[in-house]
Amino acid sequence: QQQVKQSPQSLIVQKGGISIINCAYENTAFDYFPWYQQFPGKGPALLIAIRPDVSEKKEGRFTISFNKSAKQFSLHIMDSQPGDSATYFCAASKGSGGSNYKLTFGKGTLLTVNP
Amino acid sequence: KAGVTQTPRYLIKTRGQQVTLSCSPISGHRSVSWYQQTPGQGLQFLFEYFSETQRNKGNFPGRFSGRQFSNSRSEMNVSTLELGDSALYLCASSFGATQYFGPGTRLLVL
Repeated sequence: QQQVKQSPQSLIVQKGGISIINCAYENTAFDYFPWYQQFPGKGPALLIAIRPDVSEKKEGRFTISFNKSAKQFSLHIMDSQPGDSATYFCAASKGSGGSNYKLTFGKGTLLTVNP
Repeated sequence: KAGVTQTPRYLIKTRGQQVTLSCSPISGHRSVSWYQQTPGQGLQFLFEYFSETQRNKGNFPGRFSGRQFSNSRSEMNVSTLELGDSALYLCASSFGATQYFGPGTRLLVL
């Protein structure tokens, strides 16, 4: 059972364009939704995260939009740059007790930004 | 602060052998989680340790085990290696909800 579904699998965007990656979750107990960026040969690095009490969070060129009723959240990368080319993972976890520390990941999106 | 460190970075083993991977968390972080990353299954949670106790466990066979020491350093062990255990093994340390990942150990089982 895939609890977090991510799309698209791959995405090609021109420099300066907007990259949009979508995720949907099934478990309504999830209450922490981070996005990670991974370059080849490196571990995932936290980009931005959101909790369901807000519908949007922005950090620089990265924005998370969250729709609690639809159980969906998305990552928008504005003014995409070739340096943004990487694999992006959405994830989710529950907040009670020690459960914050068990992340359920989407399958990842390979983003390519052409110069 | 130094980041999460993992040793070794690369490892080649043969089927049936066992392997031990090591993780040093960020100073002050008491929670250490382990994940397996493969092209087919993606990132999957193995287990999480906090103050030397396993708090969470994923759906992996008993061949996968771990432990945490009093200084929060953690090790994971895989016994009786199978070809399908070839993967990138990632360790993450946490303070609160945010997990910080190390560079991983790339394990190849021949």
